[in-house]
Amino acid sequence: QSALTQPASVSGSPGQSITISCTGTSNDIGHYNYVSWYQQHPGKAPKLIIYEVTNRPSGVSDRFSGSKSGNTASLTISGLQAEDEADYYCASYTISSVGFGGGTKLTVL
Amino acid sequence: QVQVMESGGGVVQPGGSLRLSCAASGFTFANYGMHWVRQAPGKGLQWVAYVRFDGGNKYHADSVKGRFTISRDNTKNTLYLQMNSLRDEDTAIYYCARQGGDYYGSWYFDLWGRGTLVTVSS
Repeated sequence: QSALTQPASVSGSPGQSITISCTGTSNDIGHYNYVSWYQQHPGKAPKLIIYEVTNRPSGVSDRFSGSKSGNTASLTISGLQAEDEADYYCASYTISSVGFGGGTKLTVL
Repeated sequence: QVQVMESGGGVVQPGGSLRLSCAASGFTFANYGMHWVRQAPGKGLQWVAYVRFDGGNKYHADSVKGRFTISRDNTKNTLYLQMNSLRDEDTAIYYCARQGGDYYGSWYFDLWGRGTLVTVSS
């Protein structure tokens, strides 16, 4: 059972924008600005794409953006490209641990 | 080259033990907190354990508490995960991940290894 709730799948066409939600509680997302997002292609290790809710690591495309409202965080990918097709995971700090979402499979149609 | 590389995975019987290692290079290992994160076959990511940059604080997920122990040797630039009383549900790829930001840092993972597969099976 995942600590955070994400939709199992989302899809979009090239050039479109999509948003993936990540719902937690007042003990994690709602309390701390330690939300991060990871992209994982099949057979590969996860890659950090957003940290501390809104920040992008160096080298990550500005098509990726993050936000938070209350107990829900969101990842938005604009200008969808074929290479964005992957699994996406959110994560949040809670007391003395880290919880992950169950993951969202993004399909680029 | 900044990287971490896991080793020590393999097949072990239920109730058995295994020790995973994670060798760090290209950065000052002693300045960073480190984590273990696992992923069961076809499943999502699950955080396992954390150790502070100096080894002073350690946290473990409830699912492994009392069975797994995270540790580090800053003189060898190596992170460890001692896994005892292994269960079928511990079967997973185990990733070593660096904490974002040095010293007390922040709660995200900015550098991941390729992982090492642990299979618990009789």
